[in-house]
Amino acid sequence: EPEVTQTPSHQVTQMGQEVILRCVPISNHLYFYWYRQILGQKVEFLVSFYNNEISEKSEIFDDQFSVERPDGSNFTLKIRSTKLEDSAMYFCASSEAGAATPYEQYFGPGTRLTVT
Amino acid sequence: AQSVAQPEDQVNVAEGNPLTVKCTYSVSGNPYLFWYVQYPNRGLQFLLKYITGDNLVKGSYGFEAEFNKSQTSFHLKKPSALVSDSALYFCAVRDIGSNYQLIWGAGTKLIIKP
Repeated sequence: EPEVTQTPSHQVTQMGQEVILRCVPISNHLYFYWYRQILGQKVEFLVSFYNNEISEKSEIFDDQFSVERPDGSNFTLKIRSTKLEDSAMYFCASSEAGAATPYEQYFGPGTRLTVT
Repeated sequence: AQSVAQPEDQVNVAEGNPLTVKCTYSVSGNPYLFWYVQYPNRGLQFLLKYITGDNLVKGSYGFEAEFNKSQTSFHLKKPSALVSDSALYFCAVRDIGSNYQLIWGAGTKLIIKP
C-alpha cells in the first residue's frame, strides 16, 4: 500500500540554524500539507500546496517557513532560523484532491524536531 | 470559528466490550468530519470520514462513527474492543472556510485492557 514517507525521523538543531524537513507524498496525489504537533498539544495546520504554489497557510507559517517541491517526488519544509518554540513533531500529508471533494489526507510518520 | 472537542483525555475499556470515543464539533454549515488513529511512533492513520448521506459511517479495523447533526457529534464506536485498538484517536473537521486544512481535536487515549 502506498504511503507518505518523511526524513529524517528525528532532527536536532541549534537555535538560529536552518533545517529542511523532507517528505515524499503518495505518487498520484496532487495536494500536499504540513502540520505540526507540539508535545502535549493539538495538531496544527501549517500550509497546503497545490500546483507548485501555496494554497493556504496558517498564522504559524510566517516568513521563517517555506515549502518547495524541488522535483516530481519530494516536498520540503524549510525553517530558516529555528527557535526553541519550533520544537515539535512535523507531519507531512497528501491527498488526491482538495477543494472540490474532501478526500482524506494521508500522513507520514512525522519528523521530530528538537531545537536546543 | 470552527472547532473540535474531544471531552475525554483517556478512555479505558475491557477487551471484548464495546467502545465509544466522543467528539463534538462546531462549524458553520455542513461539516466534513474525520477520525484518525495514531499508534506509538507512527503517523496519523485515516480511519473513516463523514461527508454526506448515511449518518452511520463504517471505516477501517471494524470502527464506525455516528454523525448526529442535532447534537453536533461524531462519536467513534466499535462493538467489541481489541487490545490492539489501544492508541491515540483524533477527531478532525475540515474548515468550511477553507478548502484544505483540518481542524483537530486534542486526541483521546484509548486503553483496552485484557
